[in-house]
Amino acid sequence: RKEVEQDPGPFNVPEGATVAFNCTYSNSASQSFFWYRQDCRKEPKLLMSVYSSGNEDGRFTAQLNRASQYISLLIRDSKLSDSATYLCVVTFWNQGGKLIFGQGTELSVKP
Amino acid sequence: DAGVIQSPRHEVTEMGQEVTLRCKPISGHNSLFWYRQTMMRGLELLIYFNNNVPIDDSGMPEDRFSAKMPNASFSTLKIQPSEPRDSAVYFCASTLRPRFPVGHMNTEAFFGQGTRLTVV
Repeated sequence: RKEVEQDPGPFNVPEGATVAFNCTYSNSASQSFFWYRQDCRKEPKLLMSVYSSGNEDGRFTAQLNRASQYISLLIRDSKLSDSATYLCVVTFWNQGGKLIFGQGTELSVKP
Repeated sequence: DAGVIQSPRHEVTEMGQEVTLRCKPISGHNSLFWYRQTMMRGLELLIYFNNNVPIDDSGMPEDRFSAKMPNASFSTLKIQPSEPRDSAVYFCASTLRPRFPVGHMNTEAFFGQGTRLTVV
């Protein structure tokens, strides 16, 4: 089983739609959690951290469920510019800060 | 700061040749990661270093792959001999690892622009 797993999609949604991505991780030890965004043929960049109490940044909301070992990202009122691949990321501090990426979920927002 | 710098940006080589990819992390960062990205397998962690010391190289696919970090500002990933199935985008990333990580730590990893390797 992979340490971090995501539904690869693709998700094809119209502008203005709400879309949710999910991610599961296999190791329950000390971690930090993030969502990264990767545009076509570019490097991944940090979108937002994921905090235990959940956190919001504009149209983006991240949630963490430690009991179920589950992370989610919600995008509201999606824009054309949101089209990208979204990567779930976990840092395993009990393994020296090992940084593992999910396979990524591709999002395509259409007019 | 210029960010993480990788070279070359593109490399086309013939099967059997040696390939060396280079990475300069962000100054002050103490952790460095090498990843390989393909359509089929996504972003795979090959090896990572803390304070120039390799911590986990279990992701290195074969003995043909090796990585070094001789100092805090430079790392190399070498493939010898290269094979067509090594064709991929190779990313280097760096971050500042806290000395005593507790709970969630907002430690952003910064990536270089990648090296697109094609082995023919």
